[in-house]
Amino acid sequence: SQTIHQWPATLVQPVGSPLSLECTVEGTSNPNLYWYRQAAGRGLQLLFYSVGIGQISSEVPQNLSASRPQDRQFILSSKKLLLSDSGFYLCAWSRVNNEQFFGPGTRLTVL
Amino acid sequence: GQQLNQSPQSMFIQEGEDVSMNCTSSSIFNTWLWYKQDPGEGPVLLIALYKAGELTSNGRLTAQFGITRKDSFLNISASIPSDVGIYFCAGRIQGAQKLVFGQGTRLTINP
Repeated sequence: SQTIHQWPATLVQPVGSPLSLECTVEGTSNPNLYWYRQAAGRGLQLLFYSVGIGQISSEVPQNLSASRPQDRQFILSSKKLLLSDSGFYLCAWSRVNNEQFFGPGTRLTVL
Repeated sequence: GQQLNQSPQSMFIQEGEDVSMNCTSSSIFNTWLWYKQDPGEGPVLLIALYKAGELTSNGRLTAQFGITRKDSFLNISASIPSDVGIYFCAGRIQGAQKLVFGQGTRLTINP
């Protein structure tokens, strides 16, 4: 069976500090991978998606970037965090054109 | 871009009541998905629909893929306290790698 992990579960960072969130998937190969952000009590905003190693599509201009160094690893980064980067970050995977499965999320608070 | 209108935004019901929520789109989708999100966790897939007119059940949950392919509904029968959470619909246009999400329906149950 497939599992998806996100690390860390929670993070408190000062404004201007760097960020690195990691997502890994087990039990499948060549998945599509996605990063979403969710503000408190709000819907899901797609940030990035990837259909293969080194292939990143950005959905909205922002202070964040994504990378996919390995087939089942997806990383979300920032060089300098803003207050507005606070939120709940969700990683998801899917097989091509199929349903998405979400990880447990990372709660980021920027102070 | 594509948008999904999900309604209602919130529901306050008594335990044991039936629940109905729906999503409508300006675009034709070939996939409809329904997710439930508990506080502080990632969304969990409840039901996936792939054919217009399809009616699928998962325990007390029933969802339908609208004939026009522009809408879907989710029903919950005989609600129980663990049904509390936020329910999201999501749709995919044929060939797209991304899902479009509704804004969610927050369900609160009074015991």
